[in-house]
Amino acid sequence: AQRVTQPEKLLSVFKGAPVELKCNYSYSGSPELFWYVQYSRQRLQLLLRHISRESIKGFTADLNKGETSFHLKKPFAQEEDSAMYYCALSGNTGFQKLVFGTGTRLLVSP
Amino acid sequence: NAGVTQTPKFRVLKTGQSMTLLCAQDMNHEYMYWYRQDPGMGLRLIHYSVGEGTTAKGEVPDGYNVSRLKKQNFLLGLESAAPSQTSVYFCASGGRGPYNEQFFGPGTRLTVL
Repeated sequence: AQRVTQPEKLLSVFKGAPVELKCNYSYSGSPELFWYVQYSRQRLQLLLRHISRESIKGFTADLNKGETSFHLKKPFAQEEDSAMYYCALSGNTGFQKLVFGTGTRLLVSP
Repeated sequence: NAGVTQTPKFRVLKTGQSMTLLCAQDMNHEYMYWYRQDPGMGLRLIHYSVGEGTTAKGEVPDGYNVSRLKKQNFLLGLESAAPSQTSVYFCASGGRGPYNEQFFGPGTRLTVL
């Protein structure tokens, strides 16, 4: 069965501290992994995807197939990073059908 | 471009009433999706469409019907609303292939009394 687990409902850090939002997945095959973000009063939007190997707004995520994880990291958190973050997966062929985790709220305090 | 729009933004229904949620996109996307978001549950796929005139069931389709008569519109219907359908509903659209971004609408908050 496809499943995405985000074990933390809330992660609270101070500005300038490192951030790691955890994401573990279960998938029989080769998944494609995504991080979506929802800032206050804004729409859910794509932050980054594994296939692109990109760094967006200082965030990176590495796919660890051995640990079946796709943790989101940022070395120095900013107040504007406060948002709800969702990890999601899809198969890597054919039609994209996303399975979302339950989300982690990141709160960055000054 | 407006992107993905949803109508209405809020709605309160009584048990047994029916309603239709409208989603429209102006990005010429083939794929469209309806999700529901409940506290502690994340987003769950209700129905989706891979093109005009086609629809398919997602993870939680019971109690909902959909139609995609035009490529840019995807309608979600509740024939007989139940309190368990109280939720925030999101529509999304995206291009072909497994790596594409899904673009989300602003959501519709539905309460069924």
